[in-house]
Amino acid sequence: RKEVEQDPGPFNVPEGATVAFNCTYSNSASQSFFWYRQDCRKEPKLLMSVYSSGNEDGRFTAQLNRASQYISLLIRDSKLSDSATYLCVVNDYKLSFGAGTTVTVRA
Amino acid sequence: DAGVIQSPRHEVTEMGQEVTLRCKPISGHNSLFWYRQTMMRGLELLIYFNNNVPIDDSGMPEDRFSAKMPNASFSTLKIQPSEPRDSAVYFCASRPGTVQPQHFGDGTRLSIL
Repeated sequence: RKEVEQDPGPFNVPEGATVAFNCTYSNSASQSFFWYRQDCRKEPKLLMSVYSSGNEDGRFTAQLNRASQYISLLIRDSKLSDSATYLCVVNDYKLSFGAGTTVTVRA
Repeated sequence: DAGVIQSPRHEVTEMGQEVTLRCKPISGHNSLFWYRQTMMRGLELLIYFNNNVPIDDSGMPEDRFSAKMPNASFSTLKIQPSEPRDSAVYFCASRPGTVQPQHFGDGTRLSIL
């Protein structure tokens, strides 16, 4: 079983829609969690950390469910510029990356 | 503030040649990571250092790959001899502590002909 698993998508949504996707992890001792965004042919960039109580950053909401060992990302009022691959990252002494979820926002 | 700096940005070379990729982490970051990314395999961790010491090199594909971190501000990833299947984007990343997120360099796009 992979350490971190994500639905690869693609999620193809119209502008203004809400899109949400999850990521599951296998190590219950994982300490911290992050969502990264990667644009085509660019480096991954930190989108947001994920806190136990859930957190928002503008249109983005991240949730952590330790009991079920998953994290989620929700994007509200999606913009064309949100089109990217979103990588789930789980920190268990090293950082384990998911394979990414591709989101395409269409006009 | 300067981010993680990688060089070269692009490298094209013939198989059999030695390739050296370089990375300067963010000042004050004590962990450094080397990754390889391809369409087929995604982002793979090759090796990571903590305080200049290699902690986990289980992702290094084979003996042709080696990595060093002689000091806190510099690391190299070497491939000798290179093969076409080594063609990929190689990222270096650093982070300040064990629970913080990483910051990535721009990557080196390597093509082995």
